Amino acid sequence: SQELEQSPQSLIVQEGKNLTINCTSSKTLYGLYWYKQKYGEGLIFLMMLQKGGEEKSHEKITAKLDEKKQQSSLHITASQPSHAGIYLCGADSNRAGGTSYGKLTFGQGTILTVHP
Amino acid sequence: GAVVSQHPSWVICKSGTSVKIECRSLDFQATTMFWYRQFPKQSLMLMATSNEGSKATYEQGVEKDKFLINHASLTLSTLTVTSAHPEDSSFYICSARPEYEQYFGPGTRLTVT
Repeated sequence: SQELEQSPQSLIVQEGKNLTINCTSSKTLYGLYWYKQKYGEGLIFLMMLQKGGEEKSHEKITAKLDEKKQQSSLHITASQPSHAGIYLCGADSNRAGGTSYGKLTFGQGTILTVHP
Repeated sequence: GAVVSQHPSWVICKSGTSVKIECRSLDFQATTMFWYRQFPKQSLMLMATSNEGSKATYEQGVEKDKFLINHASLTLSTLTVTSAHPEDSSFYICSARPEYEQYFGPGTRLTVT
């Protein structure tokens, strides 16, 4: 089965600093999602990447998928306390017989703390 | 983005009783919805795929007779936890996708006493 490894597991930064979270897959990624979660709440959709080399940005958050489609990074520029939370990468399951879209496998999450 | 809602947001029930959780797509139709479970300080695990008009498909290790799923319309899927036990206490989250992007509901916190 596909496994996603996120690093770091936790991150503490000072407000205004840039940061990067990585997500590495054991298999080729066919659909890679980034979400943000506050503890005990639902997931907020950030971005979805599908093509090798693809890069998307929304406000101060940029996500990239490498050419080989096995690693993705999430970069936050000039972090703010509002960026604090748990960041999860998820991928459409790549199983025998083809990709099962919608059945996401998740990384273990990265806990981000931003100190004002 | 698309909106997915869940009801209730939290529920407490006694051991042995059943609890129903609703998942609705508010601004799109979804022939398929997904149910996940999240234990404290852990990531999400897919439980089952809810299919409108047909039987749900369950992930390995998930008891289909315990977690009953009904997808009665294109905007509503329900998860019923039957004969709940304390070990079923968890955060249940549903998701749906209007096209390629996957949106999640706010989750339902279930506590079984």
